[in-house]
Parts: sequence; structure tokens; C-alpha cells
Amino acid sequence: ELKVEQNPLFLSMQEGKNYTIYCNYSTTSDRLYWYRQDPGKSLESLFVLLSNGAVKQEGRLMASLDTKARLSTLHITAAVHDLSATYFCAVDEGGATNKLIFGTGTLLAVQP
Amino acid sequence: GAVVSQHPSWVICKSGTSVKIECRSLDFQATTMFWYRQFPKQSLMLMATSNEGSKATYEQGVEKDKFLINHASLTLSTLTVTSAHPEDSSFYICSADYPQLGANYGYTFGSGTRLTVV
Repeated sequence: ELKVEQNPLFLSMQEGKNYTIYCNYSTTSDRLYWYRQDPGKSLESLFVLLSNGAVKQEGRLMASLDTKARLSTLHITAAVHDLSATYFCAVDEGGATNKLIFGTGTLLAVQP
Repeated sequence: GAVVSQHPSWVICKSGTSVKIECRSLDFQATTMFWYRQFPKQSLMLMATSNEGSKATYEQGVEKDKFLINHASLTLSTLTVTSAHPEDSSFYICSADYPQLGANYGYTFGSGTRLTVV
């Protein structure tokens, strides 16, 4: 059974600082996703990572994937208050179902 | 891009009544849709996978008689919460994958339905 864990669960950081959110998963997968969720809202797609060594960047966010280590990271550079949200990674279980299994989520609070 | 429209956005119902939530794919055909529930400050938990024209596949621990899923067409899947109780109060989100547009696009999510049972 695929399990997906994120850490930290909660992250309070100051504007301008850098930090990394980690996503570990338990079984082999070829596809990993990062999503953002604002309070009371649905999910916004951030990144799709499809292969080992994939790195994608959008603004102050950069995501990477190491399939051998079963690890993905979401790096935040020079955080701003607008990045405050909950971030989820999700792993495609693959096979016939293509189910997405979500990580525990990281609540990011960026303080002025 | 691919859009999934989910309705209603929020609903309040009395205990014992049933509530239907609809998800429509607006500009693509969704052979498969997924239904999730999310409790406050928690992650998304997959409830079931809905396939057009066949019975849904439920995750372990999800009562199929309570959460009825119908996927009668390639653009519409519905989730009906039957005989709702306060513990069913949650945020329900549907999702569809669209591999026909290429692997990079992944999944798209509905806007979610906040269900409150009183």
C-alpha cells in the first residue's frame, strides 16, 4: 500500500527566508504532483514531476523529484506572505487505477 | 484547459436526508473521476473511483450504500450521501484525469462542496 508523508506539517517562516518541504513515498511511482490549497478552497495544481531528476520552477517555488530515494522537495525562495497556504504532494499509484494518494499536507504561514 | 465544474459549493441538510453532489467535465471527456473527502485541517482521502458505465470502486472503509456514486456519462459523475448524519459533514472534492491531453497535465479538481449536516 502506497503511503505518502510530508514534513514538516506546519511551517512558520519570515518573509524573505528560504525553506524546503519534503515528501517521501513508500513504493515506486513515476508521477508526483504538488498542489496548493487556500482555506475553504479546492486544489490548485503547481507542478507535475514525471521522471527521476525532474526539476520545475515557477516563481519562488521549485520542485524536484528523486525516484530512487522516493523523495520530492518543494523549495521556497525568499518567501512572501502570498505564499501562505497548505501544500500537498500527491503520488500516482500507477497500474490500472491511476489513483492519487495525498501526503499529509504542510501548512505554511509566512510572517511579515 | 480542462475544467471540472462541481455543484453545489455548499449545502446544509438535516440528518436523515440525502444530498447529491455533481461533477461535470466541461471541455473534455472524463472516463474516470475520483471522489475525495477532506476533514478540517486534514489531507484528502480518496473515497472511490468512478468509471463511466460501470460500478464505482470504493476504498476500504467507505460504505458503498451510504455514498452512492453514479457515472452515467463521460461528462457527469454524481455522489449522493444517503441518510446523512453530522459525522458526514466534510469537504467533498471530485477530480478527473485526462491522459488524452498528455501526461504533463495530470488531474483537475472540482471546486469542492462543503456539506454540513445538522
